[in-house]
Amino acid sequence: QKEVEQNSGPLSVPEGAIASLNCTYSDRGSQSFFWYRQYSGKSPELIMFIYSNGDKEDGRFTAQLNKASQYVSLLIRDSQPSDSATYLCAGLMNRDDKIIFGKGTRLHILP
Amino acid sequence: ETGVTQSPTHLIKTRGQQVTLRCSSQSGHNTVSWYQQALGQGPQFIFQYYREEENGRGNFPPRFSGLQFPNYSSELNVNALELDDSALYLCASSPTGVEQYFGPGTRLTVT
Repeated sequence: QKEVEQNSGPLSVPEGAIASLNCTYSDRGSQSFFWYRQYSGKSPELIMFIYSNGDKEDGRFTAQLNKASQYVSLLIRDSQPSDSATYLCAGLMNRDDKIIFGKGTRLHILP
Repeated sequence: ETGVTQSPTHLIKTRGQQVTLRCSSQSGHNTVSWYQQALGQGPQFIFQYYREEENGRGNFPPRFSGLQFPNYSSELNVNALELDDSALYLCASSPTGVEQYFGPGTRLTVT
């Protein structure tokens, strides 16, 4: 099992709808999780991080963490064409304090 | 913009050569990490430096080495380049060692 897994997509969402991106992780003791947005040809940009079970909201973005089920999600409300990018999930693995990235999910917002 | 800068932007090297990539951290960040991102993959952790000492390393061979300087700038050195070393090399600085703020990256092509 990969340490951080994401569906590679592409995930197509109509403009104005909610985009839901999911990620699972294998290290049950991991505490900290991050969502990055990466536009084609650019470097990853930190969107949100979450350490506690539950939801964390920042503008149109909501990160959700469920440690019992070992999954992290990112919701993007009122999706815009500018949200079209690859979204990377990353976790700080408790086992060795390394940050492990998933392969990313390509999101396409349909105008 | 994160305030992290990298040079050069692009680089073409021949198999067997050596390369040095440079990074300048965001002001106030004393931790720097290097990642390798192959096409279609998430960033892979190479190593991390904190106050000029290596304090974590991923699954990369010893021909990948680094330095961090007193002003928190950093270098990544790769010896005996192989074709598979072709990738985007990302430097990230952090105020805590956890959340990563990436520079624009250096695109390395090995022929």
